[in-house]
Amino acid sequence: GAVVSQHPSRVICKSGTSVKIECRSLDFQATTMFWYRQFPKQSLMLMATSNEGSKATYEQGVEKDKFLINHASLTLSTLTVTSAHPEDSSFYICSARAATAVRQETQYFGPGTRLLVL
Amino acid sequence: SQQGEEDPQALSIQEGENATMNCSYKTSINNLQWYRQNSGRGLVHLILIRSNEREKHSGRLRVTLDTSKKSSSLLITASRAADTASYFCATNSGGYQKVTFGTGTKLQVIP
Repeated sequence: GAVVSQHPSRVICKSGTSVKIECRSLDFQATTMFWYRQFPKQSLMLMATSNEGSKATYEQGVEKDKFLINHASLTLSTLTVTSAHPEDSSFYICSARAATAVRQETQYFGPGTRLLVL
Repeated sequence: SQQGEEDPQALSIQEGENATMNCSYKTSINNLQWYRQNSGRGLVHLILIRSNEREKHSGRLRVTLDTSKKSSSLLITASRAADTASYFCATNSGGYQKVTFGTGTKLQVIP
């Protein structure tokens, strides 16, 4: 149980285009989803916290107009990188926290999406 | 900002040996979690230890937590080549809303 999927797993795009990444909780409902970015050989940095039905909370230094987050349902959150540039190339990972109280402490991570902007 | 600092940054051991990784953090926490990440992959949750716990076991994993020193350790006993991965500690504070990751330890287990 507690499986989180991401799609696509890998994407290459041209500079200036927008890319949408989906994060789905497959067998549980997630009231909260988190988006992280990981540069090579570095740790995960939290970008934003997404609560179902409300606006995402962005971490300091993360541009909300560039990284659009939509959490439309209890099983789906999307991250759109708008007008992507080469410096946005990174590994994007989402995680989801279950709505049930018992498992609320633990986040379940997706497999990640590798974005390469040319 | 990084909450956790881990050491060593890299660790190379022979199969069968034990591996110990340490994590230090700065603020008070609700719990601390350890994750494993294989190269280029997502994270796998290993174990969670709450702030009122001092030690926890799960299979070949043993985690300790010293809140007075704001530190935790992860011990992997009888390591296997398949344990080769990066290991991250992550702290959860302020109402469980977000988790902050440490810098990670890259473990290599040589067969």
